[in-house]
Amino acid sequence: SAVISQKPSRDICQRGTSLTIQCQVDSQVTMMFWYRQQPGQSLTLIATANQGSEATYESGFVIDKFPISRPNLTFSTLTVSNMSPEDSSIYLCSAAGQGAEKLFFGSGTQLSVL
Amino acid sequence: LAKTTQPISMDSYEGQEVNITCSHNNIATNDYITWYQQFPSQGPRFIIQGYKTKVTNEVASLFIPADRKSSTLSLPRVSLSDTAVYYCLVGDTNAGKSTFGDGTTLTVKP
Repeated sequence: SAVISQKPSRDICQRGTSLTIQCQVDSQVTMMFWYRQQPGQSLTLIATANQGSEATYESGFVIDKFPISRPNLTFSTLTVSNMSPEDSSIYLCSAAGQGAEKLFFGSGTQLSVL
Repeated sequence: LAKTTQPISMDSYEGQEVNITCSHNNIATNDYITWYQQFPSQGPRFIIQGYKTKVTNEVASLFIPADRKSSTLSLPRVSLSDTAVYYCLVGDTNAGKSTFGDGTTLTVKP
């Protein structure tokens, strides 16, 4: 199993600013993902964080808005850039090993944009 | 990506068996079916995963018919602490492509 630590756990930000969310896994993992979860809704995959290369974004999400880094096999960051109130959501980091294995999730970052 | 359909909500009482069904008509050959449980203010937690037939672990069973177009999560003898949202996920995490369903909110009553 893998334990995922995310920080900050919550933040309140001003419109137009950026926030970087950090995700630390306690063991090396092959894949890391970033999800967004609107209140009362399901999870939507933002992107796959690839180690050593650019992230792979899902439809509707772009690198300029959600730049992602993954410098090694245990760490990734997601930046929410030029925030607007519509970005208020929970952002979740997850990780998986090689193969069709289960996903492990962090507790999420609750973001509120004023 | 395979789209999944689950009931929005279900109610049960303590001690009962709960069955939650997920439809995934467009499941691909390489896709696995995985169920997650999510409590408020927490990330989803893995419950069980299967490819076909039946899988059982210490907390649940997963039934998958031969055509794999649906699956049923079975929770034996639920308790109040099983009140949560349950998600059916279909995909191949090796390819990094997985789709969460809308989730089923299970409420267990005393």
